[in-house]
Amino acid sequence: DTAVSQTPKYLVTQMGNDKSIKCEQNLGHDTMYWYKQDSKKFLKIMFSYNNKELIINETVPNRFSPKSPDKAHLNLHINSLELGDSAVYFCASSQGPGSGANVLTFGAGSRLTVL
Amino acid sequence: QKEVEQNSGPLSVPEGAIASLNCTYSDRGSQSFFWYRQYSGKSPELIMSIYSNGDKEDGRFTAQLNKASQYVSLLIRDSQPSDSATYLCAVSGNNRLAFGKGNQVVVIP
Repeated sequence: DTAVSQTPKYLVTQMGNDKSIKCEQNLGHDTMYWYKQDSKKFLKIMFSYNNKELIINETVPNRFSPKSPDKAHLNLHINSLELGDSAVYFCASSQGPGSGANVLTFGAGSRLTVL
Repeated sequence: QKEVEQNSGPLSVPEGAIASLNCTYSDRGSQSFFWYRQYSGKSPELIMSIYSNGDKEDGRFTAQLNKASQYVSLLIRDSQPSDSATYLCAVSGNNRLAFGKGNQVVVIP
C-alpha cells in the first residue's frame, strides 16, 4: 500500500486553465503539506494542514487554494495557470506539527507543465 | 539570507571515496536537522537526522552538527554508484521543515 499517494503524476495544460492535484495518506498522520520543487530543485513549502485546519500559508498567489476534507486528504486547486507554475508539486505528511513535523513522508510528486 | 544554504555545486567522487556535503542555517533556535536523499525523478527520502552537537553515524553515513557555527554536514563513506543523487539538508522550525537547494552527488565507477 502506498503511504502517500497523489494524482495525477503528470499534468500538461495550457496557460489560463484551472487544474487540481489530489493527495491521500494512509499513515494516520495528522499533518499534511504541499511543497513545490522548481526546475532548480529548490523544495519550498506552500501550505500545511493539521487535522483539517490550515496552519501554514506561505507567500503563495491566491490562485492556489488548498482544501482538506479530512485529515487523510489534502487537495490543491490552481486557477488561471501561468508558465511559472510549472514545477513538481509534492504532497507530504507527518505525525503532527511542531516536533512531529520533522519526519516527512513524501508522495511521488505531480509534475505540472504549463504551455 | 536564505534559511538553509547549500552552496556547493555538483560533487563528483570516485567509487569508494568519501563524499562530504555541507549546509548552514540561519535560525539559531533550530533544534532538529535532517538529510534527505532524492534520486532523479523521485521524491525525497529521509536518510539521517541529528539533534545534538557532534557526530551521528548510521552505516556509511555520518551527520555532523555544530550549533554554535550553525553548520550541518553529511559524510558518505565508501561511496557507491547507488549514492548518486541529490542530497537535501533540512532544518526544522515554525512547524515546518525548511530545505536547502540540494547538492548533487555523482559517484564515478
